[in-house]
Amino acid sequence: SQQGEEDPQALSIQEGENATMNCSYKTSINNLQWYRQNSGRGLVHLILIRSNEREKHSGRLRVTLDTSKKSSSLLITASRAADTASYFCATALYNNNDMRFGAGTRLTVKP
Amino acid sequence: EAQVTQNPRYLITVTGKKLTVTCSQNMNHEYMSWYRQDPGLGLRQIYYSMNVEVTDKGDVPEGYKVSRKEKRNFPLILESPSPNQTSLYFCASSPGRDEQFFGPGTRLTVL
Repeated sequence: SQQGEEDPQALSIQEGENATMNCSYKTSINNLQWYRQNSGRGLVHLILIRSNEREKHSGRLRVTLDTSKKSSSLLITASRAADTASYFCATALYNNNDMRFGAGTRLTVKP
Repeated sequence: EAQVTQNPRYLITVTGKKLTVTCSQNMNHEYMSWYRQDPGLGLRQIYYSMNVEVTDKGDVPEGYKVSRKEKRNFPLILESPSPNQTSLYFCASSPGRDEQFFGPGTRLTVL
């Protein structure tokens, strides 16, 4: 069963706009990670946030984590056409050693 | 260059013909994992390994086997493939359950 669920499933914006994607999960986590995938290729790690952290930044990326709501958001600021990809959240569960991914958000940034 | 390699990249086979997909990493990572990716379902973990000779079932282990005899290698074995195992498969490695490094993927078709 999937742990994370991304919302929305698809998002289309203009270059320069901000893109926000959300991830909800069901059980306690050790950390939550965001990955990017270009068209059927391998996933690339973007950012990790631990359960005791509330916000992290990396370049144009901002991730928040609300453990009380079991949710996270990924904000990409000043988007570029090259940001077009699928974005996945992944959770490292607290009480076992597996990793759970969501179904992803497909982001399209129009030039 | 730090990387995860998978072979083959593409495979078309027939029902019941045993196959092995190899995975190798050169980063001395303890944690290795296999995922399958299907449209609309995101990535689902098949098996993972915390270290040599230690393997555990993920979310969808039925029909698959793995082994971890050496730290760098984590092959995925389909003893009797069936059409419902047609999918895109990814191997990943990480030093723990933090940032995972993904291989390029293996596209498997079972006829």
